[in-house]
Amino acid sequence: DGGITQSPKYLFRKEGQNVTLSCEQNLNHDAMYWYRQDPGQGLRLIYYSQIVNDFQKGDIAEGYSVSREKKESFPLTVTSAQKNPTAFYLCASSWQGGSPLHFGNGTRLTVT
Amino acid sequence: EDQVTQSPEALRLQEGESSSLNCSYTVSGLRGLFWYRQDPGKGPEFLFTLYSAGEEKEKERLKATLTKKESFLHITAPKPEDSATYLCAVRSSNFGNEKLTFGTGTRLTIIP
Repeated sequence: DGGITQSPKYLFRKEGQNVTLSCEQNLNHDAMYWYRQDPGQGLRLIYYSQIVNDFQKGDIAEGYSVSREKKESFPLTVTSAQKNPTAFYLCASSWQGGSPLHFGNGTRLTVT
Repeated sequence: EDQVTQSPEALRLQEGESSSLNCSYTVSGLRGLFWYRQDPGKGPEFLFTLYSAGEEKEKERLKATLTKKESFLHITAPKPEDSATYLCAVRSSNFGNEKLTFGTGTRLTIIP
């Protein structure tokens, strides 16, 4: 079954620690995205990548980093510089050319 | 700046009671409007894409329509399993730069 796998589902970290969220897709999509979802707000774009070894900042990239070494994988690192990291993080992928996004089931990160 | 507003924020219906959810938008250069369904603790699931005013799409008890200023998601004779948050997103293009803007969603509860 094709889809997007995010792991882990829940993640707990202490303040000051970097943490990496995993995202893998087997849909053969070119583009991959990371969004953050907070209560009462629309999804906000953190980073996106349209091709391997290339990625662009979204609207709220500060305190985050990504890599795209393989087409299937787009991990997100939440660094200690992110001031308010506790959130629900969603990874998505799509074909190029404006096709709809397909989402994973998210990682809920709690930083205390 | 692109804006997407969904109303109402929350809606409670009796099973079988039909209603509509609204997504109003202001964007420069509409390239598509997307509807998603999101269950608690999961990622959004794609429902429909609409591209031009007058277009309609249907899937089971759901029907999406589009005008130049808004989209409606009509739910006919809903069942408890239709309970979810419904998200609207608009893709716009401005000088070749594409952007996807999400609304904050309508939380729908169907009471048996």
